[in-house]
Formats: sequence, structure tokens, C-alpha cells
Amino acid sequence: SQKIEQNSEALNIQEGKTATLTCNYTNYSPAYLQWYRQDPGRGPVFLLLIRENEKEKRKERLKVTFDTTLKQSLFHITASQPADSATYLCALRSDSNYQLIWGAGTKLIIKP
Amino acid sequence: GAVVSQHPSRVICKSGTSVKIECRSLDFQATTMFWYRQFPKQSLMLMATSNEGSKATYEQGVEKDKFLINHASLTLSTLTVTSAHPEDSSFYICSAPGQAQETQYFGPGTRLLVL
Repeated sequence: SQKIEQNSEALNIQEGKTATLTCNYTNYSPAYLQWYRQDPGRGPVFLLLIRENEKEKRKERLKVTFDTTLKQSLFHITASQPADSATYLCALRSDSNYQLIWGAGTKLIIKP
Repeated sequence: GAVVSQHPSRVICKSGTSVKIECRSLDFQATTMFWYRQFPKQSLMLMATSNEGSKATYEQGVEKDKFLINHASLTLSTLTVTSAHPEDSSFYICSAPGQAQETQYFGPGTRLLVL
């Protein structure tokens, strides 16, 4: 079955450093992969989408890589700030209609 | 950008009552909306796909008679939790696909507590 794995343990990073989150998937060949941010008690907010033919995509301090051979995506936040603290979810489009398959998310804590 | 609202944001009800949650796309039309449930520290679980003008599509294991979905217009979908029980307590979130049908825009969620 299609499966997405994100590190369930919280990631603690010192302010100013680069935070790197991992998303691994199996039994799957997604056309694209997405990253969302979710704050406590709120719905997820879309951040970035990367397609299977793209190796890397950037948006301000965010960078996403997509390795279809390793079946892995890395999500980087450079010059991290305490305001970046949140849970980050990766999602892959399923083989069917518009549905997304979600990872459980990784909680990121940026310490001042 | 696309905005999705949900109402109420929080509801507390007694066991056996029904609760209606509204999901609205404020500045765009959505022929499809998704309803998710999320337990603490867990992933989003898709419950059903709401389709304007037709019946909702439910995921395996989700009782359609318990979670009634009505997509009344191109901007409104409602989820009614019927005869709610404490185990239905959860965070319910709706979303609508963006124009390119790739990304999803989420509502702020509804926290349901059934006593």
C-alpha cells in the first residue's frame, strides 16, 4: 500500500540555523509532492509543490528537493526563526481523483 | 489568495445530539470539497469527498449515515455528525482544491467535543 513517512519526533533547531525535514514514501510514483505548514488548532497552509521532473524548488527561505530514485523529499528552512515553529506535513497526490495522501507531520521547534 | 472558512470553530455538545459544520469557499467556487478528521499528533484522515450536485464519496470505514455531507452550492459544503458520541470528538477540517486542482486550501478547522 502507498505509505508516507515523516519523522515523528520533534526537531529542535537553534535560531539562525538551517532546519531540514524528511519525507519518505513507498509503493508510489507521485506526479508531484507538496509541503504544508500546520499551526496548533489550525488547518494546514500550502507552502510548496514540486513535480517529479523537478529536482529542487525554492521560495524565499524555503527549499524543497525531490529525489524520485530515493523516493524522498527534503524540506529546508534557512536562517530559521522562532516563528517557523510549527508542524510541517508532506503530501502526495494519490492515483485517484485530486486526493492527497498525507504524512503524519514533523513538529519543528526553533529555539531563540 | 483562495480563502476557505469553517463554522463553528469550536463546539461542545451532549452525546446523542447532532452537530452541523459549515465549510465555505469565500472567493472562489469549489465543485469539490474534502472533509478530514485529525486526532492529536496524527495525520489528516480523509473522511469523504463532497461533490456539488451529487452524492459524496466516503472513504472506507466512514459511516455515511453518521457523517452526512451536503454540497448545497458551489461555495458551501456541510458536514453533519449525527447522534454524536464522545469518540467522535476530534478536529474536523475541510479543504477545497485550487484552480489547478493540485494544491488544497484548508479551512481553519472545527474542534468538536462530545460530552
